[in-house]
Amino acid sequence: GAVVSQHPSWVICKSGTSVKIECRSLDFQATTMFWYRQFPKQSLMLMATSNEGSKATYEQGVEKDKFLINHASLTLSTLTVTSAHPEDSSFYICSAEQVSGANVLTFGAGSRLTVL
Amino acid sequence: EDQVTQSPEALRLQEGESSSLNCSYTVSGLRGLFWYRQDPGKGPEFLFTLYSAGEEKEKERLKATLTKKESFLHITAPKPEDSATYLCALPMSGYQKVTFGTGTKLQVIP
Repeated sequence: GAVVSQHPSWVICKSGTSVKIECRSLDFQATTMFWYRQFPKQSLMLMATSNEGSKATYEQGVEKDKFLINHASLTLSTLTVTSAHPEDSSFYICSAEQVSGANVLTFGAGSRLTVL
Repeated sequence: EDQVTQSPEALRLQEGESSSLNCSYTVSGLRGLFWYRQDPGKGPEFLFTLYSAGEEKEKERLKATLTKKESFLHITAPKPEDSATYLCALPMSGYQKVTFGTGTKLQVIP
């Protein structure tokens, strides 16, 4: 089955530093990937849609200059949290659609970011 | 605006005690409804897609049903390993973007 891998699974950083999270589709190509954020005891909130070879589309209220998304290949999208602050601490999850006709999103295992 | 609401927020069951989780939705044109399972610290795992009212799908102890206003996830004789948060979601533009409900956290006690 389709597998989406995220790395790192958890990261701790100091306030003001930048952190990069990778999302890879391991056995399929994904022209579109999605980045979600999930705060404790809350559901997933879509942050942005990552399109291979073009600019990402951000949801309302998400700062595009703070959350940089790069989708340089059909199997890799990266999310960089720039100048991270404690309020950016969250669980970041990516997903990609299997283009098998099933219209099913496959999710990565998530990346836990803690900003001190 | 498309909305999805789940209830209850949390559910505690004894092993073997069957129950149902509810997902109520409002949508301008239903393009499907998804059910996912999420374990703590993990990404959501796909369970079912339902496309039209009256449709039912089953997987082991789980059965998902759909009406024009809501979907139910029935859990028959649950086991502790069924403990997780169950999320329903509606596709937004096309099928790719989805909006998630807040989830029902299920705990099955041995």
